[in-house]
Amino acid sequence: EVRLVESGGGLVQPGGSLRLSCEASGFTFSSYSMNWVRQAPGKGLEWILYISTSGTTIYYADSVKGRFTFSRDNAKNSLYLQMNSLRDEDTAVYYCARDLFEFTRAPLQNGVDVWGQGTSVTVSS
Amino acid sequence: DIQMTQSPSSLSASVGDRVTITCRARQSISNELNWYQQKPGEAPKLLIYATSTLQSGVPSRFSGSGSGTDFTLTISSLQPEDFATYYCQQGYSIPPTFGQGTRLEIK
Repeated sequence: EVRLVESGGGLVQPGGSLRLSCEASGFTFSSYSMNWVRQAPGKGLEWILYISTSGTTIYYADSVKGRFTFSRDNAKNSLYLQMNSLRDEDTAVYYCARDLFEFTRAPLQNGVDVWGQGTSVTVSS
Repeated sequence: DIQMTQSPSSLSASVGDRVTITCRARQSISNELNWYQQKPGEAPKLLIYATSTLQSGVPSRFSGSGSGTDFTLTISSLQPEDFATYYCQQGYSIPPTFGQGTRLEIK
């Protein structure tokens, strides 16, 4: 079964840090570019990060650039999202998501077909 | 960033109805338009990619069309499980952007 499982969410104070993980199974992880998409409570979807298969190309949304760092470990079939300088507006459910096709060079060009269950991040004092 | 605008924002319909949701891009995005369905408490599900290609396992009552700046998602005969929120998303340029969503409710 193709699966993505996120972990690491929780409650953090403004200015704090959090590290999210996403573990993949059931497919050749190293062949797929990956993304993080978030959804604030009651709001729509926002793409925030893309990482290529090798990890050498990363795209960030302006809203997280300079604060969030994205990496992957293909040997462990895992993604890591280091979130620093968190703000109230970062409160959201964070989903890791797989690009539809292998070896894509741009995020969500043909959409994402596999999503994790989401992990909730709350930034509040 | 390319702004995506969906209409309507919400829609009430009955089982068996034909429903159309529109998505408009601020600039041309060729055919790089994808549609998702999201139910409460669940992750989104990819329905259609590249404007009109049905994702594997998606019922044929869903269809997509359009090009350039104007796109539509059509559900030919609504089923109870189709009541959800639908999002369009452009993959033409970085950053990829989503429409604000269309909430489809039971009349």
